[in-house]
Amino acid sequence: DGGITQSPKYLFRKEGQNVTLSCEQNLNHDAMYWYRQDPGQGLRLIYYSQIVNDFQKGDIAEGYSVSREKKESFPLTVTSAQKNPTAFYLCASSIGQTSGRNEQFFGPGTRLTVL
Amino acid sequence: GEDVEQSLFLSVREGDSSVINCTYTDSSSTYLYWYKQEPGAGLQLLTYIFSNMDMKQDQRLTVLLNKKDKHLSLRIADTQTGDSAIYFCAGVSNFGNEKLTFGTGTRLTIIP
Repeated sequence: DGGITQSPKYLFRKEGQNVTLSCEQNLNHDAMYWYRQDPGQGLRLIYYSQIVNDFQKGDIAEGYSVSREKKESFPLTVTSAQKNPTAFYLCASSIGQTSGRNEQFFGPGTRLTVL
Repeated sequence: GEDVEQSLFLSVREGDSSVINCTYTDSSSTYLYWYKQEPGAGLQLLTYIFSNMDMKQDQRLTVLLNKKDKHLSLRIADTQTGDSAIYFCAGVSNFGNEKLTFGTGTRLTIIP
């Protein structure tokens, strides 16, 4: 079964702690993305990676960090510097071509709650 | 960059047609997409339309594109309770940037 997995589904964190969200894909996609979703709002791009060992900041990168050491994996760390980390986090991947169809496929999401 | 707008809520009676609207700003958008999000889940790609098309039909779904007005719509025929979800439109331009810009989403509620 090809797809994108995210773990865990629910995550609780105490204030001041860093936490890492996992995202794995077996679609052989080059590009991967992290979004944040808050109630009543659309998706906001945190970071994206077009190729292994390279990534770029999205619109709301402050307080987050990523790595892309393997094509299949794009973990997101929510650091203690992120002021309001409670949200629903979505990972996505796409073929990564810069022209033509390049739809993104999404994982099931991780709901992070800061206590 | 691209800016995409949608109305936030839509209520439709079961069996009627639902029409979800979206406007975008980037006239260079080559592909426009519709995604569906059920509660607590990720986004599921429903359909897409290429910018040189006016209409695309896929079973109960019809996408209409008015390039002049930069207006996109998704029509769901014979709306069922399982269609209750948030629907997002998304666009991408063709300048070497494969990022998608998503609308705020339209929450579709089905009235029995």
